[in-house]
Amino acid sequence: QKEVEQDPGPLSVPEGAIVSLNCTYSNSAFQYFMWYRQYSRKGPELLMYTYSSGNKEDGRFTAQVDKSSKYISLFIRDSQPSDSATYLCASPASGAGSYQLTFGKGTKLSVIP
Amino acid sequence: GAGVSQSPSNKVTEKGKDVELRCDPISGHTALYWYRQSLGQGLEFLIYFQGNSAPDKSGLPSDRFSAERTGGSVSTLTIQRTQQEDSAVYLCASSLVGGAGTGELFFGEGSRLTVL
Repeated sequence: QKEVEQDPGPLSVPEGAIVSLNCTYSNSAFQYFMWYRQYSRKGPELLMYTYSSGNKEDGRFTAQVDKSSKYISLFIRDSQPSDSATYLCASPASGAGSYQLTFGKGTKLSVIP
Repeated sequence: GAGVSQSPSNKVTEKGKDVELRCDPISGHTALYWYRQSLGQGLEFLIYFQGNSAPDKSGLPSDRFSAERTGGSVSTLTIQRTQQEDSAVYLCASSLVGGAGTGELFFGEGSRLTVL
């Protein structure tokens, strides 16, 4: 079992919709969680990171971590066509230095105008 | 430029040839990472450099892969005797401090390698 699992989609929503992107992880030692956004033919860029359980909000984006169920979510409110990208969840790998990120496979999101 | 720079952006090679991929990190960033992104496989850690310390090569998939970082700055990833399964996007990232758990990784746009 991969340590971070993510539904690859693709996910297609109309502009203005609320988007929910989800990941599960298997290792309870994971403490930090990140969401990266990757536009086509570009490198990933950090969108949000969280350390603890609960919600973290940044504009239209909310990251949620539920450590009891090992579930990570990213919510996008009022989605825009510019949000169309692949979203990757990540956490520093277990059993290694904290510099190794374990990534999910990414969910490809399309927001239709 | 202010970001991580990678070259070439695209490379097509024949099976069995050697290739070199270059990464120029953000100035002042002490940590440098190489990841590989294959279709449908997500990002896979390859190697990590931190300052003058010995690199962590634990993610390199075979001894055909090697990397070096000269002068604590530019890094080169070398793939010898390329195979078709090496086809992927090779992403370089740098961070101000080591430790992806607390430091943001800045990625380049990647080098897209196609092995025929």
